Amino acid sequence: GAVVSQHPSWVICKSGTSVKIECRSLDFQATTMFWYRQFPKQSLMLMATSNEGSKATYEQGVEKDKFLINHASLTLSTLTVTSAHPEDSSFYICSGLWGLNTEAFFGQGTRLTVV
Amino acid sequence: SQQGEEDPQALSIQEGENATMNCSYKTSINNLQWYRQNSGRGLVHLILIRSNEREKHSGRLRVTLDTSKKSSSLLITASRAADTASYFCATEIAAGNKLTFGGGTRVLVKP
Repeated sequence: GAVVSQHPSWVICKSGTSVKIECRSLDFQATTMFWYRQFPKQSLMLMATSNEGSKATYEQGVEKDKFLINHASLTLSTLTVTSAHPEDSSFYICSGLWGLNTEAFFGQGTRLTVV
Repeated sequence: SQQGEEDPQALSIQEGENATMNCSYKTSINNLQWYRQNSGRGLVHLILIRSNEREKHSGRLRVTLDTSKKSSSLLITASRAADTASYFCATEIAAGNKLTFGGGTRVLVKP
C-alpha cells in the first residue's frame, strides 16, 4: 500500500507553546488529508478534512483557530496545535486519500504530551 | 460523533482460538473497513468490504456485512499472540469521504 509519513512520532511541549505535526504522502498525491485525534483507550475522532489548496473543514466542536491545518501541496499537510494545553495531550493521526479512492492511508501517529 | 459501535469492547482468548467482533452502524454506507492498531501505534488497514458485498476473506480474516441489519463482523481464525491489538471498524458514506470509526475492540491473545 501507499505510504504516509507522519512526523514527529512523539513530542513533549510546554503549556502555551505551539506544536506542528507534518504528514507527507511519499508515493502518491493526497488530494484529501484527514486529521484524527485519539484519547487513551478511545476511538479515533475526526478533527478536520483538508483538500489541497482549500481551507480545511472542521468537525463540530473542533476549534479552527486552535488547530491550524495547512494543505498547501499534494504531498504535505500540517497540523499546528497553537497555545497547547494539557488537555490537548493526545494521539494525533493523519490519513491521505487520492481522488475518490476508497482506501485512505494512515500515518504512524504523533503522541503529543503538553506539560 | 461515532457512526459505529463495536462489541465486545474487550476480548481475551487463548492462542489458537477464534476471535469474533461485531460492528453496528447507523446510516447507509459505501463501504466498511476494518483496521488494527497496536498500542500507541498507527492504524493498519486489514480489509475493506463494499456495500454490495456480503463476505470477504483475507488470510485468517473473514469479514461479513449485513446491510439490512447495518452490521459487520470480523473473525480472526487460529489467533496468535501477535494478533493482540485493538480492532476498529470504520464506515465510509461515499467514495473519497471521511471515515467514521467505531469504538474498537481490544483483543488479548494469550500464548
